[in-house]
Amino acid sequence: GAVVSQHPSRVICKSGTSVKIECRSLDFQATTMFWYRQFPKQSLMLMATSNEGSKATYEQGVEKDKFLINHASLTLSTLTVTSAHPEDSSFYICSARSSEYEQYFGPGTRLTVT
Amino acid sequence: AQSVTQLGSHVSVSEGALVLLRCNYSSSVPPYLFWYVQYPNQGLQLLLKYTTGATLVKGINGFEAEFKKSETSFHLTKPSAHMSDAAEYFCAVSGQRAGKSTFGDGTTLTVKP
Repeated sequence: GAVVSQHPSRVICKSGTSVKIECRSLDFQATTMFWYRQFPKQSLMLMATSNEGSKATYEQGVEKDKFLINHASLTLSTLTVTSAHPEDSSFYICSARSSEYEQYFGPGTRLTVT
Repeated sequence: AQSVTQLGSHVSVSEGALVLLRCNYSSSVPPYLFWYVQYPNQGLQLLLKYTTGATLVKGINGFEAEFKKSETSFHLTKPSAHMSDAAEYFCAVSGQRAGKSTFGDGTTLTVKP
């Protein structure tokens, strides 16, 4: 199956700093990528839909100025958490859409803000 | 609009017993339905999907699910549980051509020796 990678897998940063997470589709082109956030023992919450070459579409309640998404190419989308705070600590997962109905998930990035 | 309800946040079975994880959905358009498995600190792995056609779909690791439109259900089953099946399972629905999936709250499967 198709492979999606995320980098880094874990990151610890200090409060007030910014962190960038990369999501790459390794063996297919993805015009659409999704970013999710997952709290412990909870489901995935869709944060935004990222379309190559255009602005991301954010879900209601997600601060677009805090979670900056860039989909610069058909294989790369980035999520930047700006001015991170401890409440931003979470597991962030991306997925890349390979067809009308199929999406492949990355392994996730564990963000800890101290 | 679409939503998913997974009945039972925790399911515990003995090794070798039947696994049944329940999923009901609602969708205003014909749905695509998915089951994913997640191991601790990992991403999601697709177990199986229903798009169109045969309503009984088989997936990896011996899992299967049946799409029942009249019951708006897509329950996941496996005849004989293995210890390695212990994980978190998510049911998801997306509208055709929409691409965006809505996930259930997940079911934690525990397998007892």
